[in-house]
Amino acid sequence: RKEVEQDPGPFNVPEGATVAFNCTYSNSASQSFFWYRQDCRKEPKLLMSVYSSGNEDGRFTAQLNRASQYISLLIRDSKLSDSATYLCVVGRQAGTALIFGKGTTLSVSS
Amino acid sequence: DARVTQTPRHKVTEMGQEVTMRCQPILGHNTVFWYRQTMMQGLELLAYFRNRAPLDDSGMPKDRFSAEMPDATLATLKIQPSEPRDSAVYFCASGPRTGPKETQYFGPGTRLLVL
Repeated sequence: RKEVEQDPGPFNVPEGATVAFNCTYSNSASQSFFWYRQDCRKEPKLLMSVYSSGNEDGRFTAQLNRASQYISLLIRDSKLSDSATYLCVVGRQAGTALIFGKGTTLSVSS
Repeated sequence: DARVTQTPRHKVTEMGQEVTMRCQPILGHNTVFWYRQTMMQGLELLAYFRNRAPLDDSGMPKDRFSAEMPDATLATLKIQPSEPRDSAVYFCASGPRTGPKETQYFGPGTRLLVL
């Protein structure tokens, strides 16, 4: 079993839709959590960190449930420019390698 | 705008040839990571360094891969001899050690095709 699991999708949604991605992780010692975004043929880039209390950045909301070892990302009012692969990422401790899920592909159409 | 740089950006080579990939981390970052990305496996850690010392290279095939940091501004990943199954995108990332939840910054990657 992979340490970080995501539904690969693809998720095909119209502009303006709300879409949610889910992720589970298996290592209960994990300490840091992130969502990265990767555009086609580009490097992964940090989208947002995920905190236990939940956090929001504009149209993006991330949630963490440590008890269930579950992370989510909600995108509201989807834009064409949101089309990308979203990577769920978990870190065990500061300064160590991050563990990446394989990503969920989102395609937003007009 | 500080960035991780990688060279070459693209490499096509024949099986059996040596491949060297280079990475310049962001100035001041003391942790450097090498990842490999394929469609089948996603992003996999190959090796990482802190303060130029190798900390973990368990993800790397030891018989053909080697990673070094000859100085703080240069990290190298070598494959010798290369095989078609090594075809992938190789990313370098660097990170500062400034707190419990720091993140990593990726370079643009080296796209390797071994024929």
